Amino acid sequence: SQTIHQWPATLVQPVGSPLSLECTVEGTSNPNLYWYRQAAGRGLQLLFYSVGIGQISSEVPQNLSASRPQDRQFILSSKKLLLSDSGFYLCAWSRGTGPYEQYFGPGTRLTVT
Amino acid sequence: AQSVTQLGSHVSVSEGALVLLRCNYSSSVPPYLFWYVQYPNQGLQLLLKYTSAATLVKGINGFEAEFKKSETSFHLTKPSAHMSDAAEYFCAVRTGGFKTIFGAGTRLFVKA
Repeated sequence: SQTIHQWPATLVQPVGSPLSLECTVEGTSNPNLYWYRQAAGRGLQLLFYSVGIGQISSEVPQNLSASRPQDRQFILSSKKLLLSDSGFYLCAWSRGTGPYEQYFGPGTRLTVT
Repeated sequence: AQSVTQLGSHVSVSEGALVLLRCNYSSSVPPYLFWYVQYPNQGLQLLLKYTSAATLVKGINGFEAEFKKSETSFHLTKPSAHMSDAAEYFCAVRTGGFKTIFGAGTRLFVKA
């Protein structure tokens, strides 16, 4: 069966510090990978998605970036965090372009102070 | 372009009462439709999905949803609410591409 891991589970970082969140998927190959942010009381905001190694599509211009160094690894980064980067970050994967649902990781709660 | 509208950011029901969470979508092509549930501080889990087979879709935990093309709706229902149903629910639409469009979510409160 497939599983998706995210770490860390929680993170408190000062403004201006760097960020690295990691997501890995097990039990499938060539998944589509996604990063979402969920601000308090808000819906899901798609940040990045990737359909293959090294292929990243950005949905929101901001100080975040994403990378996919391996087939089942997706990393979200920032060089300098802003207060507005606080939120709940979710990684997800899905198959192909058909009627496929997304499978979500447990999330990372980021608080920028 | 696709879009999803969930009517009501908060819905409150009594335990044992009918749950009805409303979702309307907009899509220029036949959509795939999903309902997800999110418990506090967790990721989203799939409740059910519509993929152009039967219009009445049954999901986990006693939930079901009916696809009505004429109304562009995909409302989620459960005959009898349980305390454990308290969570946030997201309707989502996907067409042929890589992206899924999520609604803003509806938080369900269940009163004892």
